[in-house]
Amino acid sequence: EVVLTQSPATLSLSPGERATLSCRASQSITNYLAWYQQKPGQPPRLLIYDASNRATGIPARFSGSGSGTDFTLTISSLEPEDFAVYYCQQRVFWPPLTFGGGTKVEVK
Amino acid sequence: EVQLLESGGDLVQPGGSLRLSCAASGFTYSNYAMSWVRQAPGKGLEWVSSIGLSGDNTGYGDSVKGRFTISRDNPKNTLYLQMNSLRAEDTALYYCARVGVPNSWDMWFDLWGQGTLVTVFS
Repeated sequence: EVVLTQSPATLSLSPGERATLSCRASQSITNYLAWYQQKPGQPPRLLIYDASNRATGIPARFSGSGSGTDFTLTISSLEPEDFAVYYCQQRVFWPPLTFGGGTKVEVK
Repeated sequence: EVQLLESGGDLVQPGGSLRLSCAASGFTYSNYAMSWVRQAPGKGLEWVSSIGLSGDNTGYGDSVKGRFTISRDNPKNTLYLQMNSLRAEDTALYYCARVGVPNSWDMWFDLWGQGTLVTVFS
């Protein structure tokens, strides 16, 4: 099973600041990583697939990078609606599909 | 409108059974692999099961293998999850989710329902 470790668990930032979220895989997953955003009481929303491709309708301030075992989600300038929990997910070795434990981006 | 609508969640005792449903609309359901993902209260996301276009190919997480069965009815645009031998640790919000690319097994999810709550209590 591929274990995904997200860091930090919590990121405290102010609107307008840059957010950098990390996801590390226990073995190489090439570029088969997705990122999701989840707000309280809502289902997850796909942001990025295959490490760096923005999903339909996702603003350009969200970008993904990385390959192999180390991946990053960057939010270039935080908007008020970006404060949420973010999950990564791998799809190369399954079953099982696996998710990371999440990073909460909170208002400082 | 493109959407997924889950139903069937309930309170159930340990050892009991439930069948969840997910009604799809606004897209050609038979062209998409589908999945169930769950989220325990206050916890992260856990993949439960996935099914291919015709229903012949399925996969399960270790925690539900042998107890849960995924199926689909393409003429009815509906996905199911039969849950047997339920345990307290199955308590969660169960989401159905659509694979992002039609006619593929590329397992990332671009469309999610609002979820249906399963509570297993004694």
